[in-house]
Amino acid sequence: QKEVEQDPGPLSVPEGAIVSLNCTYSNSAFQYFMWYRQYSRKGPELLMYTYSSGNKEDGRFTAQVDKSSKYISLFIRDSQPSDSATYLCAMRPNTGGFKTIFGAGTRLFVKA
Amino acid sequence: GAGVSQTPSNKVTEKGKYVELRCDPISGHTALYWYRQSLGQGPEFLIYFQGTGAADDSGLPNDRFFAVRPEGSVSTLKIQRTERGDSAVYLCASSFEGHNEQFFGPGTRLTVL
Repeated sequence: QKEVEQDPGPLSVPEGAIVSLNCTYSNSAFQYFMWYRQYSRKGPELLMYTYSSGNKEDGRFTAQVDKSSKYISLFIRDSQPSDSATYLCAMRPNTGGFKTIFGAGTRLFVKA
Repeated sequence: GAGVSQTPSNKVTEKGKYVELRCDPISGHTALYWYRQSLGQGPEFLIYFQGTGAADDSGLPNDRFFAVRPEGSVSTLKIQRTERGDSAVYLCASSFEGHNEQFFGPGTRLTVL
């Protein structure tokens, strides 16, 4: 079993829809949780990160962490065709270095 | 300012050959990471440098893989006796020490024939 599980999709939604992306994990030591966006043939770019449990909002993006369930989510409001990309969750422990574990990524298509 | 750059962008080699992949991090970033990304997968951690030293190389798959960062800036990932299974995109990222935001380069696409 992988440390981080993420549904690869693809997920196809109409423009303006609310998108929900999720990951589950098994390592209770993970404390930092990140979401990256990756366009085709590009490197990932950080969208958001949160520490421990809770919610964080940035514009159209909201990240949620539920450590009791080992479940994290990214919500995208008013989705746009330019949001079409692969979304990667990532996480690492608070101590013991900066080894970051990524999910497999979910491919998102937003149709105009 | 300039982002993370990686050269070459593409590398095709034959099984058994030696390859070097280069990463130029963002100026001032003391932390540098190498990842490997196979098709349809997320980046897989290989090694993390804090300055010149490898702080964590637990992700290197075997002793054919080696990375250096002699002056604490540019890093080179070296792969000996390449195998077809080494084919992937090799990503480099850098960050300020202690920061979670890693800035990724565009990657080097390695194909081993």
